[in-house]
Amino acid sequence: GQSLEQPSEVTAVEGAIVQINCTYQTSGFYGLSWYQQHDGGAPTFLSYNALDGLEETGRFSSFLSRSDSYGYLLLQELQMKDSASYFCAVRGTYSGGYQKVTFGTGTKLQVIP
Amino acid sequence: SQTIHQWPATLVQPVGSPLSLECTVEGTSNPNLYWYRQAAGRGLQLLFYSVGIGQISSEVPQNLSASRPQDRQFILSSKKLLLSDSGFYLCAWSSGTGGYTFGSGTRLTVV
Repeated sequence: GQSLEQPSEVTAVEGAIVQINCTYQTSGFYGLSWYQQHDGGAPTFLSYNALDGLEETGRFSSFLSRSDSYGYLLLQELQMKDSASYFCAVRGTYSGGYQKVTFGTGTKLQVIP
Repeated sequence: SQTIHQWPATLVQPVGSPLSLECTVEGTSNPNLYWYRQAAGRGLQLLFYSVGIGQISSEVPQNLSASRPQDRQFILSSKKLLLSDSGFYLCAWSSGTGGYTFGSGTRLTVV
């Protein structure tokens, strides 16, 4: 099976940097993705890491270490609009033409002035 | 460009009533489509996935069913809703970038 762990809540100051960690246990691994979800809205895709290392997209970066079964999302120059829930998700093995994706329970980020 | 449409946005239904939620995708062909449910303050639970017309797989036993009558149409249904069916229902497709693109969601309240 697959399981993911991420902190339930994080608070950070506007303009600062925050890191949201995700550790996973999986029987098969193809990649780790991150999603942002504002209250009342749908998740939006942020990033995907299939290989070890850091992927940067503007103020957001995502890191993966497959040997440690660990990844993180790094948000820089925090803005109030970054207040949202952030989910990590593991893309695992294929079964029946479908590549199983398991989501973490989400980290609620609160950005304060 | 690819887009995904989901409706209605909100729905309040009495216990025992039927349900039909529709999702359509534009700008792509033969997409893998998914139905997820999210309980308040929780993660996403996969309900159904479909790799093609008429091909439906269920992840968890439940009061719901899904159908895919056309390549870019995915429908979630129930004959008789339960209180426990309340939640935020999301349709998604694999966008080929390693992630999913989600529809805007339907917030279902069963009363």
